[in-house]
Amino acid sequence: TQLLEQSPQFLSIQEGENLTVYCNSSSVFSSLQWYRQEPGEGPVLLVTVVTGGEVKKLKRLTFQFGDARKDSSLHITAAQPGDTGLYLCAGLSGSARQLTFGSGTQLTVLP
Amino acid sequence: EAQVTQNPRYLITVTGKKLTVTCSQNMNHEYMSWYRQDPGLGLRQIYYSMNVEVTDKGDVPEGYKVSRKEKRNFPLILESPSPNQTSLYFCASSFRSPDIPTGGGGMYEQYFGPGTRLTVT
Repeated sequence: TQLLEQSPQFLSIQEGENLTVYCNSSSVFSSLQWYRQEPGEGPVLLVTVVTGGEVKKLKRLTFQFGDARKDSSLHITAAQPGDTGLYLCAGLSGSARQLTFGSGTQLTVLP
Repeated sequence: EAQVTQNPRYLITVTGKKLTVTCSQNMNHEYMSWYRQDPGLGLRQIYYSMNVEVTDKGDVPEGYKVSRKEKRNFPLILESPSPNQTSLYFCASSFRSPDIPTGGGGMYEQYFGPGTRLTVT
């Protein structure tokens, strides 16, 4: 079974600060996805990265896929209270049949 | 509106009483999946289905059954629920992105339902 470790597990910051969430594995994934989940709802896809070294930007969010396709990071610039939520990374297996999820990072942005 | 629906949203039951959680999607997706979410453990896949009449075990299939008789529906069945199956359950459906090359295994971007909170006493 492939494993994904996310860090930190919890993060509480002030509005306007920057932060980075990490997603690491010893396994290679064909692609990696980031989801955001709010209380009482299912996860919602933010981005998919496919190529080693790929960087994607979504407004104030920057996603990077490691060169070896084993790790990824999510960087948020000037965090806002609306960014509060559970951030999940998920790696797609080479067979494209299963997603392996990390345990998540609970982000709280205080006004 | 494109969506994945689950019913019921909340369920409290007793040990051993068979139950079914329904899941339906209106996006004509071939791939559907069930996950359970527990604190500190993230989302773990229970079963998935690549197409009608095709189902496979995920990482934690013990105590669960599924069926895929129609493309849009993928019910989760607990024949004899136990307290360790108390959890938050999510159904998801997905498609293969046409922009992603298949040489790397393809791509499935998942759309999740709203979740079913199950308590087994």
